[in-house]
Amino acid sequence: DGGITQSPKYLFRKEGQNVTLSCEQNLNHDAMYWYRQDPGQGLRLIYYSQIVNDFQKGDIAEGYSVSREKKESFPLTVTSAQKNPTAFYLCASSGVAGNTIYFGEGSWLTVV
Amino acid sequence: QKEVEQNSGPLSVPEGAIASLNCTYSDRVSQSFFWYRQYSGKSPELIMSIYSNGDKEDGRFTAQLNKASQYVSLLIRDSQPSDSATYLCAVNNRNAGGTSYGKLTFGQGTILTVHP
Repeated sequence: DGGITQSPKYLFRKEGQNVTLSCEQNLNHDAMYWYRQDPGQGLRLIYYSQIVNDFQKGDIAEGYSVSREKKESFPLTVTSAQKNPTAFYLCASSGVAGNTIYFGEGSWLTVV
Repeated sequence: QKEVEQNSGPLSVPEGAIASLNCTYSDRVSQSFFWYRQYSGKSPELIMSIYSNGDKEDGRFTAQLNKASQYVSLLIRDSQPSDSATYLCAVNNRNAGGTSYGKLTFGQGTILTVHP
């Protein structure tokens, strides 16, 4: 089935660690996105990519990094510079010409 | 002023009633508008999209768009307890190049509770 797969679903990070969240899609979408959601809040854009080997910062990119080496994959690294990383992270994708964004199931990151 | 604002909740309606969810946006050049439903602990799922002024109906859901007033709403008829969720309004703005690539700005969400 076509869709967006995020892993892991739950992740715990120690202080000072970098962690990477995986996002893979088989929808043949050109654009991919990472959003962060805090409890009771809307979604905030971290990074987005319209094509392979290109990506742009969203509204809250500090402390995060991404890569887009393949069309299907858009991993997000939460670095130690991100001081408050505990949140629900959502990967999404859309066609370049289309408007509709589809989401993966999300990853919960907790700092311990 | 927030770019996308939703009516503050939570909103509680009895089963069978009409639930009305509202959203205003600040950018006049906004092109596309979406309503997502999000159950607790789950990712958002698209329930409606609307691009032109007027109403768009899909089953029990009706989206209404008024670009002059910068207002978009979602009506849920015959509300069911399974409709209890957070509803997110999202707006898609064109980038500087004039193309639309799906970069959405979300409102903070409205929690809807439908009680039997």
